[in-house]
Amino acid sequence: AQSVAQPEDQVNVAEGNPLTVKCTYSVSGNPYLFWYVQYPNRGLQFLLKYITGDNLVKGSYGFEAEFNKSQTSFHLKKPSALVSDSALYFCAVRLADTGFQKLVFGTGTRLLVSP
Amino acid sequence: DAGVTQSPTHLIKTRGQQVTLRCSPKSGHDTVSWYQQALGQGPQFIFQYYEEEERQRGNFPDRFSGHQFPNYSSELNVNALLLGDSALYLCASSPYASSYNEQFFGPGTRLTVL
Repeated sequence: AQSVAQPEDQVNVAEGNPLTVKCTYSVSGNPYLFWYVQYPNRGLQFLLKYITGDNLVKGSYGFEAEFNKSQTSFHLKKPSALVSDSALYFCAVRLADTGFQKLVFGTGTRLLVSP
Repeated sequence: DAGVTQSPTHLIKTRGQQVTLRCSPKSGHDTVSWYQQALGQGPQFIFQYYEEEERQRGNFPDRFSGHQFPNYSSELNVNALLLGDSALYLCASSPYASSYNEQFFGPGTRLTVL
């Protein structure tokens, strides 16, 4: 069975500083990994995904994530945080190479960027 | 392209009642998945529809049922509502043929059970 862990309920960072939101996963096979962001009273917006290839994935709004197979991690990063990045971030995993599209989500990490 | 749309936006029901939520997928998408997001939690997979059939189901009771129509739109039905069914219900669509593609989510329906 697949699972995702987001060990931090909240991450605080000052505007202009780099940010990291952590994610580790467990899956019996090759993973497809995703990051989504959720703003208040909104649905989930796709940020980026890892399918195969380069371990460093670049996505929307300057976000990137690094896939580390040995540590089963997929941490979300951004070199310089903006106040507008403050939101709820979800990491998700699904089993690769199958037709099944069920996504398993972590519990989310709230990012708070202070001016 | 309107993206994934859901209706209604908000809904208030009482225990024991039944509710129907609706979803229209993004243009070109033929697969619809439903998720339940309780307050402070990540979305939990309910089920997925493709070609008008339920293809996968999460750990939800039979009170949760669904339907997909020939135009790919979908409904989620919940019978005998419980207080614990209060949540944000999210619909997501994707093209089944490209299983590595991301799912696109709608804005959700906020269900409150009193």
